[in-house]
Amino acid sequence: KNEVEQSPQNLTAQEGEFITINCSYSVGISALHWLQQHPGGGIVSLFMLSSGKKKHGRLIATINIQEKHSSLHITASHPRDSAVYICAAATSGTYKYIFGTGTRLKVLA
Amino acid sequence: DTGVSQDPRHKITKRGQNVTFRCDPISEHNRLYWYRQTLGQGPEFLTYFQNEAQLEKSRLLSDRFSAERPKGSFSTLEIQRTEQGDSAMYLCASSPEGLQFFGPGTRLTVL
Repeated sequence: KNEVEQSPQNLTAQEGEFITINCSYSVGISALHWLQQHPGGGIVSLFMLSSGKKKHGRLIATINIQEKHSSLHITASHPRDSAVYICAAATSGTYKYIFGTGTRLKVLA
Repeated sequence: DTGVSQDPRHKITKRGQNVTFRCDPISEHNRLYWYRQTLGQGPEFLTYFQNEAQLEKSRLLSDRFSAERPKGSFSTLEIQRTEQGDSAMYLCASSPEGLQFFGPGTRLTVL
């Protein structure tokens, strides 16, 4: 079992739909990160969470420390949101990331 | 551009050859990380530097792999006697503490 699990692995949505991507982890963390990766490899950090909820534009990220679970929500999805979304657990001490396998999102116009 | 840079962006080599990649982190970021990502998978941790000290290495980093950060600034990752299984995207990230900033990656293809 991977230390960081994501679901779903693939997701296709229609433009405007509300999207949820889930992440569960089994390691001790200093923070949980949500990242976005576009074709070609570039990775952009979206959120760093240690508790509660954060919002940036149409993106919302939540974390439940007790349940070791985080979710990324996209409201009013748009084709430009199409990308791979990866959750990463930042371990205590070195802060190295342990990555989930990613969720490949495709938003259709 | 003050982001993390990596060079080269793409490298094609023949099996058995040695390759070296370079990462230039964001200035004054004391932490530097190397990750490897194969197709369809999330990145996997390879090694971590705090300043010039290599503090952690993954078991994925076989004896053919070596990384350095001689002056606590740029870092190099060398792969000796490359194998086809080394084909992957090699990602570098730097951090002051916590949030990591990623470079564009070096895509290695071993023929």
